[in-house]
Amino acid sequence: AQSVTQLDSQVPVFEEAPVELRCNYSSSVSVYLFWYVQYPNQGLQLLLKYLSGSTLVKGINGFEAEFNKSQTSFHLRKPSVHISDTAEYFCAVSLTGGGNKLTFGTGTQLKVEL
Amino acid sequence: NAGVTQTPKFQVLKTGQSMTLQCAQDMNHNSMYWYRQDPGMGLRLIYYSASEGTTDKGEVPNGYNVSRLNKREFSLRLESAAPSQTSVYFCASSLERGSNQPQHFGDGTRLSIL
Repeated sequence: AQSVTQLDSQVPVFEEAPVELRCNYSSSVSVYLFWYVQYPNQGLQLLLKYLSGSTLVKGINGFEAEFNKSQTSFHLRKPSVHISDTAEYFCAVSLTGGGNKLTFGTGTQLKVEL
Repeated sequence: NAGVTQTPKFQVLKTGQSMTLQCAQDMNHNSMYWYRQDPGMGLRLIYYSASEGTTDKGEVPNGYNVSRLNKREFSLRLESAAPSQTSVYFCASSLERGSNQPQHFGDGTRLSIL
């Protein structure tokens, strides 16, 4: 079975600083990878996804993530954060050919401060 | 653009009461899902429906039942609510069942069981 680990439960960062949110996964077969964002009192929105091809994936709101198969990682980055990026971020994985059942990490709360 | 609509948004129940959470999507999606979100645990799949007329158990189905009423609607029922079912419940949908399909989420139902 697949699993997702988000090592940082909270990441505080100052506005305009860069940020990296870490995600590692475990699976014996190929996977698809997703990052979702959840703003307070809202549902999850898709930030970006890796299905195949280029390992550097660009998403909405200036975020990007890099798939590293050898390290089984899919870290999310943004070069300069804004106050509006304060939210909870979830990494998720699904198995290729395994139906659309997502396995989520426990989430990372990004808090952007002035 | 309604997307995925969940009702109610908030509910307080007493132990032993029953309740049905409603979910409807207007994107003509085939697959629908119910998750629960608990602090520090990410989202866990309760039940899903790959297509109209089918439902399957997810990771945490005990204490719940579902009905895929038609292509648009997927309801979640708690027959005898327990305090352990206090959680935020999210409904999601995807165009197809394939594991590369992103899921679209509603804004959640916050359920407290006393």
